[in-house]
Amino acid sequence: GNSVTQMEGPVTLSEEAFLTINCTYTATGYPSLFWYVQYPGEGLQLLLKATKADDKGSNKGFEATYRKETTSFHLEKGSVQVSDSAVYFCALSRYSSASKIIFGSGTRLSIRP
Amino acid sequence: GAVVSQHPSRVICKSGTSVKIECRSLDFQATTMFWYRQFPKKSLMLMATSNEGSKATYEQGVEKDKFLINHASLTLSTLTVTSAHPEDSSFYICSARPQLRDRGHTEAFFGQGTRLTVV
Repeated sequence: GNSVTQMEGPVTLSEEAFLTINCTYTATGYPSLFWYVQYPGEGLQLLLKATKADDKGSNKGFEATYRKETTSFHLEKGSVQVSDSAVYFCALSRYSSASKIIFGSGTRLSIRP
Repeated sequence: GAVVSQHPSRVICKSGTSVKIECRSLDFQATTMFWYRQFPKKSLMLMATSNEGSKATYEQGVEKDKFLINHASLTLSTLTVTSAHPEDSSFYICSARPQLRDRGHTEAFFGQGTRLTVV
């Protein structure tokens, strides 16, 4: 079946450090891939997405590239800020609106000033 | 962008009572909505898929008589936690995905979540 594996947290970095959160997936066909972010006490917000191989999703300085050959969708940011502290979820889904989204376990990120 | 509104954001109830959580899609129609449960510092666990006009599809291990789902219209789904117990205390989140005309890829939009505390 379909599944998502992401790196265990928590991850603690200093402000302006480089961030990578690894995500790999198992799926049949060509799923869409997503990164969602959850700030403390809030619901989930879409951070970025990619819908086909070699697509790069980007938003707020974060990037992730859909790599079919390695079945990966690693999240990167060149210089993190304290405001980036949150839980990040990698996810996949089929393309239809009726398809459920399968989430990774989440990675808690804390940024020190 | 599309908005999903969930209400209430917090609720405290006594053991044995029932609690209803509403999930509305504010600017799009959603034939399908999803209900998730999130335990502290854990990922989201899909509980059920809510289908407008038909029965919900529950994930394995989720009690359908315990968690009643009603999707009465294209913009509203409700989750009722019946005879609540302290172990039902959790963060419940709903989600919906707009249907594009060309059936293309769509993202999911999430409600703000409901923190349920059963005392």
